[in-house]
Amino acid sequence: GAVVSQHPSRVICKSGTSVKIECRSLDFQATTMFWYRQFPKQSLMLMATSNEGSKATYEQGVEKDKFLINHASLTLSTLTVTSAHPEDSSFYICSASPGLANEQFFGPGTRLTVL
Amino acid sequence: GQSLEQPSEVTAVEGAIVQINCTYQTSGFYGLSWYQQHDGGAPTFLSYNALDGLEETGRFSSFLSRSDSYGYLLLQELQMKDSASYFCAGFRAGNMLTFGGGTRLMVKP
Repeated sequence: GAVVSQHPSRVICKSGTSVKIECRSLDFQATTMFWYRQFPKQSLMLMATSNEGSKATYEQGVEKDKFLINHASLTLSTLTVTSAHPEDSSFYICSASPGLANEQFFGPGTRLTVL
Repeated sequence: GQSLEQPSEVTAVEGAIVQINCTYQTSGFYGLSWYQQHDGGAPTFLSYNALDGLEETGRFSSFLSRSDSYGYLLLQELQMKDSASYFCAGFRAGNMLTFGGGTRLMVKP
């Protein structure tokens, strides 16, 4: 149990385009989903927290107008990188929490390359 | 602020025991987790300490001392497949995780 999927696993896009990444909890309802960004050989940095049906809470320094997060249902959250630039190239990972303390289940990640 | 410090790299041989330390400076962590991440993969959960003391799960054990703001992950009977990055992470309010910088473990034959 506790499987989280992400789609796509890898995406290459041109500078200036927008990219949408989906995160789904497959066998549980996720009251909260988290989005992280990880640059090569670095740690995971929390970008934002989203709760179903409400606006996402962004970490300091993360542009909410650039990284649009929608948590439309208890099993789906999407991250849209708008007007992507090469510096947005990174590994984006989501995680989902069923609401119990101390549990987060991670998706397999999405490798974004912006040319 | 909140920060977790780990050594950046550790090297050990197959069959050995290795300890990866994590010290933290924060207010409001209510537990310490450890995650393993292979290159290109997602973090996978290894262990969680809510209370002081040692938690054992097979070849892996994790320890926490809140008074010392310190924890460690102990890996026994190392195997080549254990070569990966290991992250300590503190749980805070809202079920949020703050990750340490990660320790890259290289297991050699």
